[in-house]
Amino acid sequence: GQQVMQIPQYQHVQEGEDFTTYCNSSTTLSNIQWYKQRPGGHPVFLIQLVKSGEVKKQKRLTFQFGEAKKNSSLHITATQTTDVGTYFCAPGDHTGTASKLTFGTGTRLQVTL
Amino acid sequence: DTEVTQTPKHLVMGMTNKKSLKCEQHMGHRAMYWYKQKAKKPPELMFVYSYEKLSINESVPSRFSPECPNSSLLNLHLHALQPEDSALYLCASSLWTASTDTQYFGPGTRLTVL
Repeated sequence: GQQVMQIPQYQHVQEGEDFTTYCNSSTTLSNIQWYKQRPGGHPVFLIQLVKSGEVKKQKRLTFQFGEAKKNSSLHITATQTTDVGTYFCAPGDHTGTASKLTFGTGTRLQVTL
Repeated sequence: DTEVTQTPKHLVMGMTNKKSLKCEQHMGHRAMYWYKQKAKKPPELMFVYSYEKLSINESVPSRFSPECPNSSLLNLHLHALQPEDSALYLCASSLWTASTDTQYFGPGTRLTVL
């Protein structure tokens, strides 16, 4: 099956520092979604990327989809304690009768003052 | 209403028990999903229901039995579980399955099998 690796597995930053997580696939992706899961919480949708080379911004978050559609990244500028959580990329796939997401391994972000 | 609700929040059961997890959404979504998530791991897809029909079963053991009584409800029946089945069980829904659309997750049921 499809394997999607994220690096780093864990990152600890001080508030105000930047953070980036990378998502790498062995196969070409049709699209990719990003989710955030707070400690003790459930995944919450952040963004979907579909086009090659696409860049989308949400306030301090910048999402990119690689030109070859095999990788993606999430960059957070000037982290805040509210950014704490695990960030998952999730490529989408169609099986004919349904769509499914395969979650990447995740990057856990810790932010301290 | 953009909420997916799940009951119970916590469940402790023995290996011989039969229990059910429930999931409900009132967003008019026609696709519903069950995921299993172990600690510090990503959610793993178990089942997908599309228009109340089972579309995907990711080779889940038969001790897990899903049911979709109507378009708003999704159940997961549990029987003869093993301790390694202890995990967070997440339900999600999405508008349709013709495209890879946003999935809305419920808060999950934290299951402990003794």
